[in-house]
Amino acid sequence: DSGVTQTPKHLITATGQRVTLRCSPRSGDLSVYWYQQSLDQGLQFLIQYYNGEERAKGNILERFSAQQFPDLHSELNLSSLELGDSALYFCASSVGGSREPDTQYFGPGTRLTVL
Amino acid sequence: GESVGLHLPTLSVQEGDSAVIKCTYSDSASNYFPWYKQELGKRPQLIIDIRSNVGEKKDQRIAVTLNKTAKHFSLHITETQPEDSAVYFCAASIAGTASKLTFGTGTRLQVTL
Repeated sequence: DSGVTQTPKHLITATGQRVTLRCSPRSGDLSVYWYQQSLDQGLQFLIQYYNGEERAKGNILERFSAQQFPDLHSELNLSSLELGDSALYFCASSVGGSREPDTQYFGPGTRLTVL
Repeated sequence: GESVGLHLPTLSVQEGDSAVIKCTYSDSASNYFPWYKQELGKRPQLIIDIRSNVGEKKDQRIAVTLNKTAKHFSLHITETQPEDSAVYFCAASIAGTASKLTFGTGTRLQVTL
C-alpha cells in the first residue's frame, strides 16, 4: 500500500457524461500528479499540482480539468466523455517543493469505462 | 520534449535466469530515472530509481545502470522468480520540470518455470 488513495475504484458511465475522480495523497506529500493509462499503453502524464497550484501540464484535453484543495486532496474532472476516454486513471503523490525530481508513489487507480 | 523508449515489448526468461530491460531517453538534461513494476490491473510500484550523478544502484536482486553518454539506462533482475512476471516501465524526469515523469511503453516480463 503506497498511502495514496483513489475513489472510486470503478466507474461506468455513458458518452457525453461528466465524472469526477478523487485522490488523497500520502501524508506529508504536497504534490499530486494525474496519469492516464489506456489499454496496453504506457502512462501519459496529464497534470500536476503542488500545494494547491497547478505546476505542470501534459497532454490533458480541454474537456478535462483538475484542482487541488486546501486539504491537499485532488479531483480530476472529465466532461463530455467519449469512448476513447475509457482508461485507468492514476494519481501519484510526492513530497514536492524541490527543483529536483522526487519519488512518486501511485494510488490504486480508477478504471473508467465509457459506454 | 523528452521521449523515452523501451527496446523490447516482451521478454521471456526461465526461472533463475537474469533479465535485462534497456530503456533510452532523448533529453540529456534528464537526471532522474525510476523503474516501476505493474501487475495486471494494479498500480505501478517503484522498484528502483537512479539519479544522474550515479552510474549504478543495487537493491538485492534488482539493479539499475545508467549510461549518460549513450542516454540509456537498464534494469537488471537476477535469479528471476515467477512473481517477477509483470510489466516494467521506465521513466525519466528533468530537473526544473516539477518532477514530471515521461514513461516508456513498458516491457512485459514473463518468467517461466
